[in-house]
Amino acid sequence: GIQVEQSPPDLILQEGANSTLRCNFSDSVNNLQWFHQNPWGQLINLFYIPSGTKQNGRLSATTVATERYSLLYISSSQTTDSGVYFCAVEGAQKLVFGQGTRLTINP
Amino acid sequence: ETGVTQSPTHLIKTRGQQVTLRCSSQSGHNTVSWYQQALGQGPQFIFQYYREEENGRGNFPPRFSGLQFPNYSSELNVNALELDDSALYLCASSLNQYTEAFFGQGTRLTVV
Repeated sequence: GIQVEQSPPDLILQEGANSTLRCNFSDSVNNLQWFHQNPWGQLINLFYIPSGTKQNGRLSATTVATERYSLLYISSSQTTDSGVYFCAVEGAQKLVFGQGTRLTINP
Repeated sequence: ETGVTQSPTHLIKTRGQQVTLRCSSQSGHNTVSWYQQALGQGPQFIFQYYREEENGRGNFPPRFSGLQFPNYSSELNVNALELDDSALYLCASSLNQYTEAFFGQGTRLTVV
């Protein structure tokens, strides 16, 4: 089955810094989503991005499907950006998740 | 438009008991998927229902079963609970099998 790897596993930054989270996947996929898991466990949709680049405020994402990776950029980090970020790709009618990147933004 | 809602939010059960978790899909969505998330891990696919039929299953034993109703809401049933079943159970709905998935807030199950 499809393998999804996220890096780095942990990232600690100061408020105001920029960050780049990476997601590699092992096979071609139809869909790719980025999520932020809040402290209560809910997965919040950030981007639905099977290919190309999208931006939403301080967040942007790029997926290069031919090279099997996606990047999530967070600019001017705020403490509320802290949490776990998951990349998930669709394979055989299911989402396959990476292990996540735990982002900590210190004031 | 209401989002995906799950109930209950928290649950404590004893080993060997049975549990039913519920999920109401987002309005207009006919596909519901269930995931199990152990502490510190990414969510793992349990199964998917599309128009009331099971449409794919992950590597979970038969004591994990499900149901989708005509209004596309869904239930996850787990029989003979084991301590390792303690996890966050997430439900996701989507417009169809291949579109963006939206998750509920989850049910945190503790088996003691």
